[in-house]
Amino acid sequence: GAVVSQHPSRVICKSGTSVKIECRSLDFQATTMFWYRQFPKKSLMLMATSNEGSKATYEQGVEKDKFLINHASLTLSTLTVTSAHPEDSSFYICSASNYRDGYTFGSGTRLTVV
Amino acid sequence: GENVEQHPSTLSVQEGDSAVIKCTYSDSASNYFPWYKQELGKRPQLIIDIRSNVGEKKDQRIAVTLNKTAKHFSLHITETQPEDSAVYFCAPIKAAGNKLTFGGGTRVLVKP
Repeated sequence: GAVVSQHPSRVICKSGTSVKIECRSLDFQATTMFWYRQFPKKSLMLMATSNEGSKATYEQGVEKDKFLINHASLTLSTLTVTSAHPEDSSFYICSASNYRDGYTFGSGTRLTVV
Repeated sequence: GENVEQHPSTLSVQEGDSAVIKCTYSDSASNYFPWYKQELGKRPQLIIDIRSNVGEKKDQRIAVTLNKTAKHFSLHITETQPEDSAVYFCAPIKAAGNKLTFGGGTRVLVKP
């Protein structure tokens, strides 16, 4: 079936630095990529939706200058957390969509900002 | 946007008993109703889904029932086993490719 590879799985970074998370669709073309954030014991909250070659659409309350999303090809989307702070520590997960395979989730990235 | 609520938020059952989780939604245009299972630190996994032209669907110990008039659908797990312990999410949507709006989740604990 469809596979989305997400890296890194865990990352610890210092306050003020930036972190890039990658999601690659390995055997299909992802027309749309969704990025979610999940705090402990909470639900998945959609941060933004990106379509290949166009600007991402951010959900209300999500800072687009802080969470930079790039979807330059049909197989790669990246989320960069800029100037990270401890409150950005969370589980970030992507979900790729195409009309054939439905929704396929990446394995998630646990970000800890110290 | 879609307003999605799940009940209960936690559910503890004895192994072998049944578990039922209800999901209510607000958008009457929703026509795809999936249930996801998420184990700690892992990605959500689709376990069963139903489309608006069907009222019930079953896959071994798991079933989903849909009441479009009342705008709710439910996940039924029979003969629960310890490996069913996880968090379950519903995510009703209008059409494939649209963004998923997840319910708040139901933490299920199956006691041996």
